[in-house]
Amino acid sequence: DIQMTQSPSSLSASVGDRLTITCRASQSISSFLNWYQQKPEKAPKLLIYAASSLQSGVPSRFSGSGSGTDFTLTISSLQPEDFATYYCQQSYGPPITFGGGTKVEIK
Amino acid sequence: EVQLLESGGGLIQPGGSLRLSCAASGFTFSSYGMSWVRQAPGKGLEWVSDIRGGGDSPYYADSVKGRFTISRDNSKNMLYLQMNSLRAEDTAVYYCAKDVGVMLRGHYYMDVWGKGTPVTVSS
Repeated sequence: DIQMTQSPSSLSASVGDRLTITCRASQSISSFLNWYQQKPEKAPKLLIYAASSLQSGVPSRFSGSGSGTDFTLTISSLQPEDFATYYCQQSYGPPITFGGGTKVEIK
Repeated sequence: EVQLLESGGGLIQPGGSLRLSCAASGFTFSSYGMSWVRQAPGKGLEWVSDIRGGGDSPYYADSVKGRFTISRDNSKNMLYLQMNSLRAEDTAVYYCAKDVGVMLRGHYYMDVWGKGTPVTVSS
């Protein structure tokens, strides 16, 4: 199975900060990498698919990059509604696997 | 509006069975694969199973293979997860999600999620 490792597992940040979350795959997955945001007691929401494509309706301050084994999710200017947990997911092949999550908290 | 609504969760004893349902609306259900993803209390997301639009080629996580069965009724726009031989470690919120793309055939992701149904396996 492909293991997905996110870092950091949690962080504290302020409104307006630029934020980068990293996701590393245990083997090359090309660009088969998606990012989701989850707020407490809510379902996950798709942010980025195919490593760098912004899902419709998602603010442009979110961006994704990377290919192979190393990927990043960047929030250019953190907004109050962005405090949440973020998960990467590889869709290279079954089983589909998620990273452990990165919890973004208010500093 | 695309909507997914799960039901069927509850408290069940170890070794028991439960069938989850997911009612879909707002899109051509038979044209899309569907997935089940679960989240144990305080933990991350775990993919459980996937089924293609035509109901073929189901995939399962190793943790549920042989115990869970995914199925769908395209005439009713319904997705199901039959869960047998339930264990304490199956306790989680179970989400159904609409797939975009087909696993192993290019980019594949889950663009719409239901609100989830909780399953608690305990004596």
